[in-house]
Amino acid sequence: DAKTTQPPSMDCAEGRAANLPCNHSTISGNEYVYWYRQIHSQGPQYIIHGLKNNETNEMASLIITEDRKSSTLILPHATLRDTAVYYCIVRASTSGTYKYIFGTGTRLKVLA
Amino acid sequence: DADVTQTPRNRITKTGKRIMLECSQTKGHDRMYWYRQDPGLGLRLIYYSFDVKDINKGEISDGYSVSRQAQAKFSLSLESAIPNQTALYFCATSDPGAGMTEAFFGQGTRLTVV
Repeated sequence: DAKTTQPPSMDCAEGRAANLPCNHSTISGNEYVYWYRQIHSQGPQYIIHGLKNNETNEMASLIITEDRKSSTLILPHATLRDTAVYYCIVRASTSGTYKYIFGTGTRLKVLA
Repeated sequence: DADVTQTPRNRITKTGKRIMLECSQTKGHDRMYWYRQDPGLGLRLIYYSFDVKDINKGEISDGYSVSRQAQAKFSLSLESAIPNQTALYFCATSDPGAGMTEAFFGQGTRLTVV
């Protein structure tokens, strides 16, 4: 299963873009990159996912490098409510089935 | 109403006691998961089930068992609770597809074993 590496913590000024990096150098060709976030001790919340192309939705943008070995989640205008732990996940496949393996994530603090 | 409901939300139990954590979902999803989270750590997969007849061990299944009573219900049991099972437990569901599906999580159960 492909592993992910994220910085343990980051700060971002309110209103600025938050760029959260993730390294997944062992990702295989059919594995997707997913991003979730966990606010305080609530259940993780889905943000976005992608395979090869960059993706954008109402919450964030996902930029995946051409070699797919790393990606960046971008929160274009961070707010205080975006303070959370952000998890980058590679969708693991075992025997044709899929499961989610979480790492330790990046703790993002948005500063007023 | 929440799509994924966990009960109880909080529980304190004594060492050696049997305890069951329950999860029910209204998403109609076939796939269900149990995770635990310890302070400062990410989520670790305990068990997962891809349909009613399918149960699979995750990363840390020792000391736990599960039961998939129906498509909508997935229970996690600690047969003899021990203090290092004190953690935050999450249930999740997802829909089988072509690999492009998200997981939905419950609000969590905070379990303390004393």
